[in-house]
Amino acid sequence: AQKVTQAQTEISVVEKEDVTLDCVYETRDTTYYLFWYKQPPSGELVFLIRRNSFDEQNEISGRYSWNFQKSTSSFNFTITASQVVDSAVYFCALSDGNFNKFYFGSGTKLNVKP
Amino acid sequence: ETGVTQTPRHLVMGMTNKKSLKCEQHLGHNAMYWYKQSAKKPLELMFVYSLEERVENNSVPSRFSPECPNSSHLFLHLHTLQPEDSALYLCASRDRENTGELFFGEGSRLTVL
Repeated sequence: AQKVTQAQTEISVVEKEDVTLDCVYETRDTTYYLFWYKQPPSGELVFLIRRNSFDEQNEISGRYSWNFQKSTSSFNFTITASQVVDSAVYFCALSDGNFNKFYFGSGTKLNVKP
Repeated sequence: ETGVTQTPRHLVMGMTNKKSLKCEQHLGHNAMYWYKQSAKKPLELMFVYSLEERVENNSVPSRFSPECPNSSHLFLHLHTLQPEDSALYLCASRDRENTGELFFGEGSRLTVL
């Protein structure tokens, strides 16, 4: 069965600190996709990144970076030099190869204090 | 503004009421989803509609009844709910031709008294 685990319920950091959000997934599919979404206080989840199961290259986008490791079934998300605007709930998600179902974790609430 | 609009944003209802949540997307997408978000729990997939046909019903109690009259609109009809049904209900849409990005609405916060 597919499952996504985000063990960190809530993290608090001070602005400019680096922070890593953990995501561990379970699936028996050989083709699958992993996602991160950000949920600001307004409520709507906003897409951040998608990776497929055949591409283990790490990705960097500005202050955001993602570390995908199939050997440990993890897809961790790092924010470098965090800012107050990064405060939100972050969700990791897993989809089958057809995108029919998306399985989300329970989310990690990130508090960035000035 | 994601192009997915949910109404109402907040709803308080008694256990014997009948109400509906509405979702409208202006993105030309052809797949729509209902998710339930409860505190400290994973988002729960409730229903999936693809090309207006229900393709997924994730063991949701019959007191929740979805309706997808066309590719732009999705409803969730509610009746005889329980207090544990109080949650944020999120609607999402997707273009079946793209590689998986979901576009979410801001959610409808439901409180069942």
